[in-house]
Amino acid sequence: AQKVTQAQTEISVVEKEDVTLDCVYETRDTTYYLFWYKQPPSGELVFLIRRNSFDEQNEISGRYSWNFQKSTSSFNFTITASQVVDSAVYFCALRRAIQGAQKLVFGQGTRLTINP
Amino acid sequence: KAGVTQTPRYLIKTRGQQVTLSCSPISGHRSVSWYQQTPGQGLQFLFEYFSETQRNKGNFPGRFSGRQFSNSRSEMNVSTLELGDSALYLCASSLALAQGNSPLHFGNGTRLTVT
Repeated sequence: AQKVTQAQTEISVVEKEDVTLDCVYETRDTTYYLFWYKQPPSGELVFLIRRNSFDEQNEISGRYSWNFQKSTSSFNFTITASQVVDSAVYFCALRRAIQGAQKLVFGQGTRLTINP
Repeated sequence: KAGVTQTPRYLIKTRGQQVTLSCSPISGHRSVSWYQQTPGQGLQFLFEYFSETQRNKGNFPGRFSGRQFSNSRSEMNVSTLELGDSALYLCASSLALAQGNSPLHFGNGTRLTVT
């Protein structure tokens, strides 16, 4: 079975601080995909990044960076110099890499509040 | 390019009634999935459709059903509503039934309240 754990239920920081959101996953598959989504108050889940299990290269996109470590089954997300607009619920998700697999298994989410 | 459109945005129903939610995917997307989001259970997979066929179904009772039309638009139906069905229902679309590498693009959801 697949499982995603986001141990941090809520995080609150002051603007401009760096913050890391943790994600740990479980799967017996050797090939899989990991995702991060952002859910602002409007409700829509906004796609942030997709990572293949065979590509452990870290990625940076502006103030966002992702650290994927297959050895520890973790896929952590860091926001540098946080801004109030980053306030949202963030979800980590896992999907099997097989034909026809669209189902995402989500973590419980981390509510991030950036205070001015 | 328009995003995933879900209608209605809000619904209030009474126990025992039934409800139909609608989802229009991004143009060109042929795969549609549905998720239920509640504070207690989080985001849970309901079902997914591709080319009008249900390809996968989550662990929900038979009261939850869906379908996909030839234009890829999808509907989900919940019959004999229960209080526990109150949730945000999210629809997502993706390009094709690829090997898991197509990201899902979500709509704003339909918030269903059962009283």
